[in-house]
Amino acid sequence: DAGVIQSPRHEVTEMGQEVTLRCKPISGHDYLFWYRQTMMRGLELLIYFNNNVPIDDSGMPEDRFSAKMPNASFSTLKIQPSEPRDSAVYFCASSLEGQGGPTGELFFGEGSRLTVL
Amino acid sequence: QQQVKQSPQSLIVQKGGISIINCAYENTAFDYFPWYQQFPGKGPALLIAIRPDVSEKKEGRFTISFNKSAKQFSLHIMDSQPGDSATYFCAARDDKIIFGKGTRLHILP
Repeated sequence: DAGVIQSPRHEVTEMGQEVTLRCKPISGHDYLFWYRQTMMRGLELLIYFNNNVPIDDSGMPEDRFSAKMPNASFSTLKIQPSEPRDSAVYFCASSLEGQGGPTGELFFGEGSRLTVL
Repeated sequence: QQQVKQSPQSLIVQKGGISIINCAYENTAFDYFPWYQQFPGKGPALLIAIRPDVSEKKEGRFTISFNKSAKQFSLHIMDSQPGDSATYFCAARDDKIIFGKGTRLHILP
């Protein structure tokens, strides 16, 4: 398997624009997570899905952020409108079982680096 | 509220030395404590993990020490090598995995 695939790898946009980040989880993994990484706050869980259903979105910063998982092989994280403080690396991760199962292992993609000017 | 506190923020160690990263937590409901390693431009990857009923776990040069009464755990990297230079995250799990803020480790050649 190719692992978790994220696109785009880099995105530079201007404040107020809509940003869509995409993720393809590992085939067969029932759980999908979106994390945001910044120097100040480290790795923050934004939202996670089980079998395409959002389970916990308490980490989503505000209404400008939304996430969807229309099928088992695709998820999007959308920011509209984007702001400079949204600049970060956004990671998608997947796991076979909840919260990584017995080993606590989440499989991360390589991330999408977002810069909002 | 930061549920997992990690220190130091950055660490420089000579090749062959011991690297030590510390973490502390408050939530006694945490049932699993993984450590993740992240190289530049890559996503974090599971390195080693421990359950709270075990005081130590060793895998090669990497050892987790766990002190349940103190609610602290640490990662020790023995004989540190330049290839170990990366960012290390401790984490804790209850109904979700919570990460520390990370430690940027640099091993001098």
